[in-house]
Formats: sequence, structure tokens, C-alpha cells
Amino acid sequence: AQSVAQPEDQVNVAEGNPLTVKCTYSVSGNPYLFWYVQYPNRGLQFLLKYITGDNLVKGSYGFEAEFNKSQTSFHLKKPSALVSDSALYFCAVREIQAAGNKLTFGGGTRVLVKP
Amino acid sequence: DAGITQSPRHKVTETGTPVTLRCHQTENHRYMYWYRQDPGHGLRLIHYSYGVKDTDKGEVSDGYSVSRSKTEDFLLTLESATSSQTSVYFCAISDHRADTQYFGPGTRLTVL
Repeated sequence: AQSVAQPEDQVNVAEGNPLTVKCTYSVSGNPYLFWYVQYPNRGLQFLLKYITGDNLVKGSYGFEAEFNKSQTSFHLKKPSALVSDSALYFCAVREIQAAGNKLTFGGGTRVLVKP
Repeated sequence: DAGITQSPRHKVTETGTPVTLRCHQTENHRYMYWYRQDPGHGLRLIHYSYGVKDTDKGEVSDGYSVSRSKTEDFLLTLESATSSQTSVYFCAISDHRADTQYFGPGTRLTVL
């Protein structure tokens, strides 16, 4: 079975400071990993994904994530946070051979960027 | 945004009544999914479809049924709504490679 943990319910950061949102996963095989962002009263927007290749993945809005197989982690990062980055962030995992290509989501981390 | 619409966007209903939510896509994608979002639980998969008339259960399928008679439409039915089904429901789609899912705007359902 596949699972995802986002250990922090909320992350507070000052505008201009680095932002990190943590994610660890568990799968029996090789993972596909994803980050999504949700703004209030909106659907989830795709940010970035790791399928294979370079462990550092760059995505939308200046976000990046690093795949670390030994630590089974896929932390989301942004070098300089903006107030507009305040939102709910979800990490998701899928085993490459998962039936139906089903994703398993973490519980989400709320990010609050203060001016 | 991917061409996904959901209807209705908001619905209030009473316990015991049937409810159908609709997801419509214009991307001609093979895979379609229904999730529910509840505080502290993230998104949980209810049902998914891997083609017309081909569906399967997710992790929280009890009390829900689905149908897909056309590529573009995926219906979620609550046969007899209960208060525990009060939630925000999201539809998602992905193409034949199925490596990325794209989400609709959601339907907020309240069961009184």
C-alpha cells in the first residue's frame, strides 16, 4: 500500500524568507511524486512532479522539490516566499504500477506567508 | 486550466435523498476520478474510471456509485445521502499516460 505523510499542519514564514513544506512517502515499488496547491474555494492546481531522472524538480511559480530516495522524502521548496503563496499544499504519491494509476494524498499543509 | 467543469457547484440536500454530481471534460482524457476532501484527511479517492463503462472502487466507495456512458462525462451518485457525506467533491482527469491528474473546481455538498 502507498501512503504519504505531511508532518506539519501549518507552516508560517515571513515574506522573502525560504519556504519548505515537508513530505515523506511509502510505496512498495518506485514512486511517482506530485505537489499540488489549493487556493481558497478553488480546485487543486498541479505544481510539479517527479517521475524519473534528476532528483531536483522545478515547477510552477518558482517552486522546486527534491526527491530523496534514501529518506523517502519529497520536500517542496521556494527560495523567497510571497504573500500570494499562502495556500494549502498537498503532496501525493503513486506507485508506477498502481492499478488505475491511483494517487494517495497527504493531509495537506497550510502555508501562511506574512508581510 | 484543464477543461473540466463540475455541476452543481453547490448543493444542499436532506438526509435520505438521492444526489447526482456531474463531471464534464473537454480534453478527451481516458481516466476520470472522483475524490472527496475533508479537513485533516486530504483528498480520498471514491471511484475512478479507466474508460467508457469501465469503473472501479477507491478507498471510500461505500454509499457511492458512478457511471460513465461517454468519454466526457463521469457521474457520481449518492443513492441515499447521509450527513457523513457532507464534503467537497472534486473530479480529476488524466490522459492515457496517467502521470498527472488535473482537477475540476469542486462541488460543495451539504447534507442536512
